[in-house]
Amino acid sequence: EDQVTQSPEALRLQEGESSSLNCSYTVSGLRGLFWYRQDPGKGPEFLFTLYSAGEEKEKERLKATLTKKESFLHITAPKPEDSATYLCAVLGTGFQKLVFGTGTRLLVSP
Amino acid sequence: DADVTQTPRNRITKTGKRIMLECSQTKGHDRMYWYRQDPGLGLRLIYYSFDVKDINKGEISDGYSVSRQAQAKFSLSLESAIPNQTALYFCATSDWGGVHNEQFFGPGTRLTVL
Repeated sequence: EDQVTQSPEALRLQEGESSSLNCSYTVSGLRGLFWYRQDPGKGPEFLFTLYSAGEEKEKERLKATLTKKESFLHITAPKPEDSATYLCAVLGTGFQKLVFGTGTRLLVSP
Repeated sequence: DADVTQTPRNRITKTGKRIMLECSQTKGHDRMYWYRQDPGLGLRLIYYSFDVKDINKGEISDGYSVSRQAQAKFSLSLESAIPNQTALYFCATSDWGGVHNEQFFGPGTRLTVL
């Protein structure tokens, strides 16, 4: 069964304090690993898709990386507007639907 | 205009009532999904549809039913609502096949069952 575990559950940073969020996964053949951002009371917003180990993608202050067992979302010099819950999900070859982790709640203080 | 819309955005109802949540999309995607989100449990798949004639149960389909009226419309029904169906409900869409499988989510419906 495909599984996704995200850590930490919550993270508090000062503005400008860089850090990383972790997404560990087990999947029967990875077709894609997805990162989403979710603001309170809103739908998840797509950020990145990673397809193979070693792949990296960047968007503004965010950089996602992928290994065979985990993915990291690196946040460089975060700003208060980066505060949100970040969700990780995997799509395996065995099933045609996403399996989500429970997310990391990020709070960036000025 | 939003690509994926959901109605209503908020709904309060009573135990035993029938409720329908509606989802429409203008992305032209074939695949549509219904999820519920509960604190600490993440997003869980209720039903999904890969085209108008295809309906599949997700991991938590008991107490729910769906209808795919057209490529762009996918409705979720609670035949007899109960309090533990209080949650945030999301509709999502994705394109078929190929390399790109990301899902795009609607704004959600907050449902409260008293």
